[in-house]
Amino acid sequence: DQQVKQNSPSLSVQEGRISILNCDYTNSMFDYFLWYKKYPAEGPTFLISISSIKDKNEDGRFTVFLNKSAKHLSLHIVPSQPGDSAVYFCAADSNAGKSTFGDGTTLTVKP
Amino acid sequence: EPEVTQTPSHQVTQMGQEVILRCVPISNHLYFYWYRQILGQKVEFLVSFYNNEISEKSEIFDDQFSVERPDGSNFTLKIRSTKLEDSAMYFCASRKTVSVNGYTFGSGTRLTVV
Repeated sequence: DQQVKQNSPSLSVQEGRISILNCDYTNSMFDYFLWYKKYPAEGPTFLISISSIKDKNEDGRFTVFLNKSAKHLSLHIVPSQPGDSAVYFCAADSNAGKSTFGDGTTLTVKP
Repeated sequence: EPEVTQTPSHQVTQMGQEVILRCVPISNHLYFYWYRQILGQKVEFLVSFYNNEISEKSEIFDDQFSVERPDGSNFTLKIRSTKLEDSAMYFCASRKTVSVNGYTFGSGTRLTVV
């Protein structure tokens, strides 16, 4: 049972445009949702998160939206930059702190 | 910027051998984790550790696996008798609190079982 799903394995956008990465989940008991960015040969790096009681969180170029009724969240990056090219993982936390990760979406930002 | 340090970066071992993967979490963090990522697959939870004991473990974390925090700084993952399917990137992570703050991950240890 895959509790966190990222249905798009890859996304390609032009530099300066918006990147939208999507994530769906099945467990309504998750308390927090997080996005991580991962470069090859490195560990994931925490990017931004949102509590389950909120519907939006913004940090610079990154905004995460949470739609609890649809069990869906998305990460918006605007404007996208070539350095944003990486694998992006959506993760969901239970109260115990364990994170369940999605499969990841490879974002390519073309100059 | 504080870091989670993992050693070695790459470990090759023969099937059936024991391996110990080492991690130095961030010093004021209280929650410690091991995750793994088999090539081309998702990042999978193995175990969480808090207050000197395992707080949760996954089905993957069977009797062949163990974790220790032998002193105030190191956090180790031991695999007693490695199998080919244990080949993966193993990531250590730590966090100060369970909250909207995510983990700080180490760079990982690539374990290759031959």
